[in-house]
Amino acid sequence: QKEVEQDPGPLSVPEGAIVSLNCTYSNSAFQYFMWYRQYSRKGPELLMYTYSSGNKEDGRFTAQVDKSSKYISLFIRDSQPSDSATYLCAMNTGNQFYFGTGTSLTVIP
Amino acid sequence: EAQVTQNPRYLITVTGKKLTVTCSQNMNHEYMSWYRQDPGLGLRQIYYSMNVEVTDKGDVPEGYKVSRKEKRNFPLILESPSPNQTSLYFCASSLSWPLSEQFFGPGTRLTVL
Repeated sequence: QKEVEQDPGPLSVPEGAIVSLNCTYSNSAFQYFMWYRQYSRKGPELLMYTYSSGNKEDGRFTAQVDKSSKYISLFIRDSQPSDSATYLCAMNTGNQFYFGTGTSLTVIP
Repeated sequence: EAQVTQNPRYLITVTGKKLTVTCSQNMNHEYMSWYRQDPGLGLRQIYYSMNVEVTDKGDVPEGYKVSRKEKRNFPLILESPSPNQTSLYFCASSLSWPLSEQFFGPGTRLTVL
């Protein structure tokens, strides 16, 4: 079983839609939870991170962590064509990082 | 400009020919790491370094070596590359760990024939 599972999509939504991206994990030792965005032919860039259960909001993005269910989500409100990218969830324990396989998102104008 | 640089960006080589991919950061970061990215497998950590002269294995270290002699540089060495090491490689650095943001380089696409 993989440490982190993420639905690869692809996901295609109209502009303005609410997008929900999800990951599940198996290792209860994971302490910190992150979401990265990766544009084509680029390295990933950090969108958000959190370390506790609950919600964290940053502009149009909300990260949600449910440690009891080992489930994390990223919500994107009012999605824009510029949000079209691959979204990677990531987690770490100590010094090691574990990434999901990424979900490819396309926002159609 | 604060950045992580990798060289080369593209490399095609043959089985068994030793190669080095360089990584350098100009942000005075303590933590550096190498990842490989493969379709269906995502990003997997190869090695990481918490500071100079301190390195440790990630999830998939087999067939790779690293060294951290200087704070800014973290080269990835493939002593005897094999076709299963064909991948997209990323170097990353962060000021500290685990909460500090990781900055990723532009990637190195390696093909081993």
